[in-house]
Amino acid sequence: GAVVSQHPSRVICKSGTSVKIECRSLDFQATTMFWYRQFPKQSLMLMATSNEGSKATYEQGVEKDKFLINHASLTLSTLTVTSAHPEDSSFYICSARGTAFKNSPLHFGNGTRLTVT
Amino acid sequence: QQPVQSPQAVILREGEDAVINCSSSKALYSVHWYRQKHGEAPVFLMILLKGGEQKGHDKISASFNEKKQQSSLYLTASQLSYSGTYFCGTELAAGNKLTFGGGTRVLVKP
Repeated sequence: GAVVSQHPSRVICKSGTSVKIECRSLDFQATTMFWYRQFPKQSLMLMATSNEGSKATYEQGVEKDKFLINHASLTLSTLTVTSAHPEDSSFYICSARGTAFKNSPLHFGNGTRLTVT
Repeated sequence: QQPVQSPQAVILREGEDAVINCSSSKALYSVHWYRQKHGEAPVFLMILLKGGEQKGHDKISASFNEKKQQSSLYLTASQLSYSGTYFCGTELAAGNKLTFGGGTRVLVKP
């Protein structure tokens, strides 16, 4: 089955520093990847849609200059949380769909738990 | 707009049944169902496309009423492994983004 790998699984950083999260589709090509954020006991909230070779599309209320997304290849998208603050602490999950399958499900990475101290 | 899930939580004894509902105010192309265990990523259960589909995954099945923009997930003869939070995700057009409901926490007790 389709596999999405996300790294790192956990990261602790100091306030004001930047953190990069990688999302890779291992056995399929993904022209589109989606980045979600999940606070404890809450739903998955879409942050942005990452498109290979073009600018990401951000959801309303998500700061594009704070959450930088790069999708340089068909198998890799990165999310960089810049100048992180404690309120950015959350569970970040990427997901992707195979390009060849119109009605395919989203395949999720294992998520990154970010703690900003 | 986020779909609405109900109930928010349900507690079952092993072997009991439960229904989780998901409704949208917009016309839907598809509904996806996922289950998430604590601290883990969501795991895909099934996808239902418009056309009134019903799907099954072991003893978990689902239906989609496109006229009412509603989907229901049926947990039959629940097992301990069914515990987790169930999310429906709705899609307005093919290949579009998925918007998730608030989730339904399911606890199956022995």
